[in-house]
Amino acid sequence: GDSVTQMEGPVTLSEEAFLTINCTYTATGYPSLFWYVQYPGEGLQLLLKATKADDKGSNKGFEATYRKETTSFHLEKGSVQVSDSAVYFCAQSVGYGQNFVFGPGTRLSVLP
Amino acid sequence: EPEVTQTPSHQVTQMGQEVILRCVPISNHLYFYWYRQILGQKVEFLVSFYNNEISEKSEIFDDQFSVERPDGSNFTLKIRSTKLEDSAMYFCASSDPGLAGVETQYFGPGTRLLVL
Repeated sequence: GDSVTQMEGPVTLSEEAFLTINCTYTATGYPSLFWYVQYPGEGLQLLLKATKADDKGSNKGFEATYRKETTSFHLEKGSVQVSDSAVYFCAQSVGYGQNFVFGPGTRLSVLP
Repeated sequence: EPEVTQTPSHQVTQMGQEVILRCVPISNHLYFYWYRQILGQKVEFLVSFYNNEISEKSEIFDDQFSVERPDGSNFTLKIRSTKLEDSAMYFCASSDPGLAGVETQYFGPGTRLLVL
């Protein structure tokens, strides 16, 4: 079945460090891919998305490229800030009205 | 910017009691969803709803659960007889196909349910 795998956390970085959170997926169809972020005590916020191969989603300095050949959608940011501390979820969806399949989430802590 | 809202933000209930979680999706959206997140675990799909009926449900969504769109704005999740293991954060989401080939689900802030 469809699934999403993320790198195990927690990830702890110093401010201004480079961030990569790996995400790979398995899908029977041709999914759209998403990154959601959950700040402490809050709900899920859409961070970025990509809908077809080689698309790059970007927002707030984060970016991820849809790689069909490696079934991956790794999240990257060149210089993290303390305010980026949160849990990051990779997710996929196939088609209209289809439920999202989420990865387990990766907790990021950025230290000043 | 339009957003999904949920009430209450927190609910504490006794095992065996009925609870109703409420959501107001984004007004022009057509698809509605409920997900749950047990503390420290992944977000799990419960049910999707379109055109006034359930379009898909997971194995978690058993006979104790039901959903309803009682009017033009609200979308509710009812748990008929709560169990301890129903304690979780429940997220409502909505989506609209909008731009062809793109579907993004927008999530509410969640209702944290604690069953004692």
